Amino acid sequence: AQTVTQSQPEMSVQEAETVTLSCTYDTSESDYYLFWYKQPPSRQMILVIRQEAYKQQNATENRFSVNFQKAAKSFSLKISDSQLGDAAMYFCAYRKETSGSRLTFGEGTQLTVNP
Amino acid sequence: DAGVTQSPTHLIKTRGQQVTLRCSPKSGHDTVSWYQQALGQGPQFIFQYYEEEERQRGNFPDRFSGHQFPNYSSELNVNALLLGDSALYLCASSLVTSGYTDTQYFGPGTRLTVL
Repeated sequence: AQTVTQSQPEMSVQEAETVTLSCTYDTSESDYYLFWYKQPPSRQMILVIRQEAYKQQNATENRFSVNFQKAAKSFSLKISDSQLGDAAMYFCAYRKETSGSRLTFGEGTQLTVNP
Repeated sequence: DAGVTQSPTHLIKTRGQQVTLRCSPKSGHDTVSWYQQALGQGPQFIFQYYEEEERQRGNFPDRFSGHQFPNYSSELNVNALLLGDSALYLCASSLVTSGYTDTQYFGPGTRLTVL
């Protein structure tokens, strides 16, 4: 069974600085997808970024980028120029390549942004 | 473009009662997945509905059941409620037939409290 581990329960960053959230996963599959979701206090789970395992290029979405290391099964999220609105719980998630497969989530990292 | 909607927002029940939660998928989506998120934890997959049938199921007892309607909306039913069923229940929709990554988009959740 696939597992996702986020080893940092809490992280903090100063506004305008850069922070990196860590995620490791375990799978025997060669094709899969990885996601970072953000859950603010409003509870709505919001997709931040997506990475296809077959792509070597790291995904980027504006201030958000990932460092995908397939051999190491590592998938970290870098947030640049942190903003107060980035404060939230961040979840790393895994999904098999098979269309419609379930998401397997990590335990989450609570990010605090200090003004 | 209407996103995923869920009702009700909050619900309080007593042990032994039954509850029904509702979800309307994002416009154009045909698949609904349900997740249970206990306080301070990552979401856990309950089951997924596609073409009005349960296609996948997580490690949840038969007390958890669901339904999908012809308009793709879905219900989650929980019978004989236990205190441990208290959680945030998240609905996510996706498009299975997209031929591409069927990213799951989440609703705001229903907070269930069992007393």
